[in-house]
Amino acid sequence: DQQVKQNSPSLSVQEGRISILNCDYTNSMFDYFLWYKKYPAEGPTFLISISSIKDKNEDGRFTVFLNKSAKHLSLHIVPSQPGDSAVYFCAASATSNYQLIWGAGTKLIIKP
Amino acid sequence: GAVVSQHPSRVICKSGTSVKIECRSLDFQATTMFWYRQFPKQSLMLMATSNEGSKATYEQGVEKDKFLINHASLTLSTLTVTSAHPEDSSFYICSVGRREGGQETQYFGPGTRLLVL
Repeated sequence: DQQVKQNSPSLSVQEGRISILNCDYTNSMFDYFLWYKKYPAEGPTFLISISSIKDKNEDGRFTVFLNKSAKHLSLHIVPSQPGDSAVYFCAASATSNYQLIWGAGTKLIIKP
Repeated sequence: GAVVSQHPSRVICKSGTSVKIECRSLDFQATTMFWYRQFPKQSLMLMATSNEGSKATYEQGVEKDKFLINHASLTLSTLTVTSAHPEDSSFYICSVGRREGGQETQYFGPGTRLLVL
């Protein structure tokens, strides 16, 4: 049973436009959510996180939105740049054990 | 954040030999480190949680006698793949858990590519 789902295996966006990556979760105990970016043959890089007490967190071009009632979060990247092409993983955890539960990832392709 | 290194970055070994992978936390003392493996085009799979000074906690289906984890200091954890076989070929990644503001964020190393011939 997947507790964290990224339903889009891939997403193609024009350079300069907004990229929106989506993530859904099922466990209501999750209270911390993270986004990671991963290039092939490299470890994931932490991008941004959000606590369940917030509904939005922004860091430069990256904004994460959390909708607790819908158990849904999204990562917005604007404007999208060629270097943003990578696989993006959504992860969630509960303060009861801190273990990260991962989504399957979404491959983002930024077109010139 | 945190800076994490892994060594070696890639290793090729013969079937039946053992391989040791090191994970170092370079800029803070990590009481908890994690070991993952990733198969091609798949998500990360947590293998075990390594706690400094105590035994590692292995995930279901991960053989603790095959994947030996040692976390002898606050900056170093090692994963030893014993009697490696071709099916152990994979990308192994470690991370350190850093707690801030009541939440824990994991920061990852660059990964180690293991190829068993």
